[in-house]
Amino acid sequence: GIQVEQSPPDLILQEGANSTLRCNFSDSVNNLQWFHQNPWGQLINLFYIPSGTKQNGRLSATTVATERYSLLYISSSQTTDSGVYFCAVPASGGSYIPTFGRGTSLIVHP
Amino acid sequence: DGGITQSPKYLFRKEGQNVTLSCEQNLNHDAMYWYRQDPGQGLRLIYYSQIVNDFQKGDIAEGYSVSREKKESFPLTVTSAQKNPTAFYLCASSSAGGEAFFGQGTRLTVV
Repeated sequence: GIQVEQSPPDLILQEGANSTLRCNFSDSVNNLQWFHQNPWGQLINLFYIPSGTKQNGRLSATTVATERYSLLYISSSQTTDSGVYFCAVPASGGSYIPTFGRGTSLIVHP
Repeated sequence: DGGITQSPKYLFRKEGQNVTLSCEQNLNHDAMYWYRQDPGQGLRLIYYSQIVNDFQKGDIAEGYSVSREKKESFPLTVTSAQKNPTAFYLCASSSAGGEAFFGQGTRLTVV
């Protein structure tokens, strides 16, 4: 099946810093999502971004499907950004069954 | 409000017992999924269903069972055959090929 690798595995920032999280995948995809898992375990949808660039406030994401990667940018980080960030891609061509990377754990210190 | 509801939020199971986790959605999605998450790990697929009355095993289906009798509901039973059931369980749904949405999860502990 498709392999999903996220980097870095852990990230520690001071409030106000910027960061870039990366998601590499081993096969072409027609669907990609970014999620934020909050301290209570809930997965919050950030972006549904098969290709191109999207922005939502301080967060933006870019997917370059032909080169098999996606980037999540966090600007002016806040303590509430802490948690784990996951990307998910389809397990295989055809129906979308989300397959997850191991995530990037982000801690933002005040 | 549309969404996915999982219950209970916390569940305790004695060894040898079967327990059932509930997942209900009112998003009119055809596809539903169950994932397991262990501490510090990503999400692993247990079962998925793309249409009513049909479901398929995921990567770690042993010791689990599901049913999909209604479009809105996809309950997961953790059977006594699952030797290490303590974990966080997440249910999700999506339209065909579309964005997936998750419930708030059920934390299962063996006592």
